[in-house]
Amino acid sequence: KQEVTQIPAALSVPEGENLVLNCSFTDSAIYNLQWFRQDPGKGLTSLLLIQSSQREQTSGRLNASLDKSSGRSTLYIAASQPGDSATYLCAALNAGNMLTFGGGTRLMVKP
Amino acid sequence: DAGVIQSPRHEVTEMGQEVTLRCKPISGHNSLFWYRQTMMRGLELLIYFNNNVPIDDSGMPEDRFSAKMPNASFSTLKIQPSEPRDSAVYFCASKVEGAQPQHFGDGTRLSIL
Repeated sequence: KQEVTQIPAALSVPEGENLVLNCSFTDSAIYNLQWFRQDPGKGLTSLLLIQSSQREQTSGRLNASLDKSSGRSTLYIAASQPGDSATYLCAALNAGNMLTFGGGTRLMVKP
Repeated sequence: DAGVIQSPRHEVTEMGQEVTLRCKPISGHNSLFWYRQTMMRGLELLIYFNNNVPIDDSGMPEDRFSAKMPNASFSTLKIQPSEPRDSAVYFCASKVEGAQPQHFGDGTRLSIL
């Protein structure tokens, strides 16, 4: 059974800092790895999706990498802004169309 | 384009009552998922449908929970009878065929007193 872990659980940084969020998964037989953002009281917004054959995906200030062999993914946020404050979740897609989510990293970017 | 639409946004009811949560997926999406999110357990998949057919309901906690998808544009998740431990945020998500992103609704915040 797939297990997804995110470290750290919470992170507070000053505005402008570059930061890395970590995600690890136990079953490397994934189809893709997704990163989501969740704002308080809201649903999840898909940020980046990395297919199993890819190493990384970029969108604006966000860059996500995937290393299937080691069971790791990272989300890099450049030049963080207060508007980036949210909970970030990673999720691994395995056979059967099932996403397994990590517990999330709660990010606070202070002005 | 309208996203995934869930109703109600909030529900407060007494223990023992029947609760029905509703979801309208994005038009053209053929997979629909119901999740539950709690502080203790995070986000858990309850059940998902493909082309209106339930594919995997292994995440449904117990017989008090049931889900239906009578057509491509509507699904319900029902809890009968409800218990305080069912209090959580319930999300519906939909996607197109293949390894594509899931699109989430804003959730229903359920409180059972």
